[in-house]
Amino acid sequence: EVQLLESGGGLVQRGGSLRLSCAASGFTFSSYAITWVRQPPGQGLQWVSAITGNGRGIYYADSVRGRFTISRDNPTNTVFLQMNSLTDEDTAVYYCAKGFVSVSVPDYWGRGTQVTVSS
Amino acid sequence: DIQMTQSPSSLSASVGDRVTITCRANQDISHYLAWYQKKPGKAPSLLIYAASTLHLGVPSRFSGSVSGTDFTLTINTLQPEDVATYYCQNYDSAPWTFGQGTKVEV
Repeated sequence: EVQLLESGGGLVQRGGSLRLSCAASGFTFSSYAITWVRQPPGQGLQWVSAITGNGRGIYYADSVRGRFTISRDNPTNTVFLQMNSLTDEDTAVYYCAKGFVSVSVPDYWGRGTQVTVSS
Repeated sequence: DIQMTQSPSSLSASVGDRVTITCRANQDISHYLAWYQKKPGKAPSLLIYAASTLHLGVPSRFSGSVSGTDFTLTINTLQPEDVATYYCQNYDSAPWTFGQGTKVEV
């Protein structure tokens, strides 16, 4: 059974940092891209970042480029999202998801982790 | 960046109705469009990819089509469990933007 579990969310002050983790199981991890998508409160889905299975392809939304860093550790089946210089606009539920069609069209999703940036 | 314009932003329909949601890209993305369903408190779920290919396990009342840069999601015979917000997503080129969403109520 494919499972993805996000962790690392929480309350952080404006300008602070958080590191999200996405632990995966139930599939050949190194063969699939992982995507992060977020949903701010009362808003729609926002694509954030993606990384290919071998880690060589890395992509970011304009709104996070230069502040967020995606990485993966294939031996431990984990993807990380390092988030720096956080702003109020980064407050959201963050989902990680397994790539299916293309790098960024996922078929399995985690339950999400809440990130709240406060002043 | 590719912009996706989704309409309407919300709609109300009755059980058994046919519902149509449209997504327009501001440039050619071929058939590289996916549709997702999002229910409150739940993760999104993939409905359709490649504009018209139904994902495994998705009920056949859902369908997708494309005409140029206009993409359509159709729900035939709306069911109570279809209450959700629906999103389109371009995956032709990064950044892989979502539409603004369409909230479907019954």
